[in-house]
Amino acid sequence: GAGVSQSPRYKVAKRGQDVALRCDPISGHVSLFWYQQALGQGPEFLTYFQNEAQLDKSGLPSDRFFAERPEGSVSTLKIQRTQQEDSAVYLCASSLGGTGYWGEETQYFGPGTRLLVL
Amino acid sequence: AQSVTQPDIHITVSEGASLELRCNYSYGATPYLFWYVQSPGQGLQLLLKYFSGDTLVQGIKGFEAEFKRSQSSFNLRKPSVHWSDAAEYFCAVKGGGADGLTFGKGTHLIIQP
Repeated sequence: GAGVSQSPRYKVAKRGQDVALRCDPISGHVSLFWYQQALGQGPEFLTYFQNEAQLDKSGLPSDRFFAERPEGSVSTLKIQRTQQEDSAVYLCASSLGGTGYWGEETQYFGPGTRLLVL
Repeated sequence: AQSVTQPDIHITVSEGASLELRCNYSYGATPYLFWYVQSPGQGLQLLLKYFSGDTLVQGIKGFEAEFKRSQSSFNLRKPSVHWSDAAEYFCAVKGGGADGLTFGKGTHLIIQP
């Protein structure tokens, strides 16, 4: 009965460094989402996977952000050449269903990775 | 595109008092509506959701919400709050073919003893 897990929980990076954030969704969940939550704000959608296919990356703020889910389970969000404005909590969520169903599907969120770029 | 407004950034309520958190959405059709709660250092936990049918929705922890189409609102209520309800509350909407949820900016709930 494990939920969504994310690692690391905290990450401090120097400006210009590359970082990789990991998400382990609930086993068997087809859909996986990444969100970015700036301080004092609500989460904002970044990207969506159905199994290994990245079906929507419209929320990625720049081409420095890259996400993958090569085997349809674990996902990695990579940020290249980090900037101070990338400091935020990065949330991962998963849901059981795929396209056509997950409008009604509950998204289960992980605890997030807090990224601080100095 | 859809949007969500939570007009109250902070709300302070005495323990045992009733609570109502406001949420207004902007969307052309009937959206899917959600309320999530976020405690410090925790992920978002779903309190309740509305898709269709009965406009009064019951959730976990004694929360309920009412969908009012005429007012484009989905306000969250609880008859008697507990100190453990202190947290950040987010209203969210999904619709229009968007893949992700659109969240409001949240309401920070403070419980006075």
